[in-house]
Amino acid sequence: AQSVTQPDIHITVSEGASLELRCNYSYGATPYLFWYVQSPGQGLQLLLKYFSGDTLVQGIKGFEAEFKRSQSSFNLRKPSVHWSDAAEYFCAVGAQGGSYIPTFGRGTSLIVHP
Amino acid sequence: ETGVTQTPRHLVMGMTNKKSLKCEQHLGHNAMYWYKQSAKKPLELMFVYNFKEQTENNSVPSRFSPECPNSSHLFLHLHTLQPEDSALYLCASSQTGQGRGYNEQFFGPGTRLTVL
Repeated sequence: AQSVTQPDIHITVSEGASLELRCNYSYGATPYLFWYVQSPGQGLQLLLKYFSGDTLVQGIKGFEAEFKRSQSSFNLRKPSVHWSDAAEYFCAVGAQGGSYIPTFGRGTSLIVHP
Repeated sequence: ETGVTQTPRHLVMGMTNKKSLKCEQHLGHNAMYWYKQSAKKPLELMFVYNFKEQTENNSVPSRFSPECPNSSHLFLHLHTLQPEDSALYLCASSQTGQGRGYNEQFFGPGTRLTVL
């Protein structure tokens, strides 16, 4: 079975600074990988996903993530954070060829200082 | 309506009440999910339906009763809940299969449930 770890519970950045949120997964084969964002009181919105091919994935709202198989990681990045990016971010892993139900990390709360 | 919708958005109920949460997806997906999201806890998968058949029940108490009459609608019937059941209940849907575009979940906005 697959698993995913988001090591950081909270991340605080200043507006305009760069951002990297960490995600490590465990799965024996090539995974599906997803990043979701959740604003307070809302559902989860898909930011980007990796299935195959180019390991650098572009998403919405200026986010990108890089799949590194050797490190079992799929870190989310943004070059310049806006105050509206403050939210909860979830990484999820799915099994290609296995269960269709993805496994979610515990989430990282992003705080943006003006 | 587009995407995944949930009603009501907010619900306050007493421990002896019976209520239902409704979820509808307009995406043509075949799988639907109920999640519970409590403060400071990870997402908890409660139930999964695939082509209207329940495929997952993660040891959820019987005071939660799901119903999936068709692939577009999902209900969560609630009765004799406890205060610790207060949470955000999220519905999601996906198209199951292999390859790009499959298995990504689309979420509704959730129902904020408060049990008094």
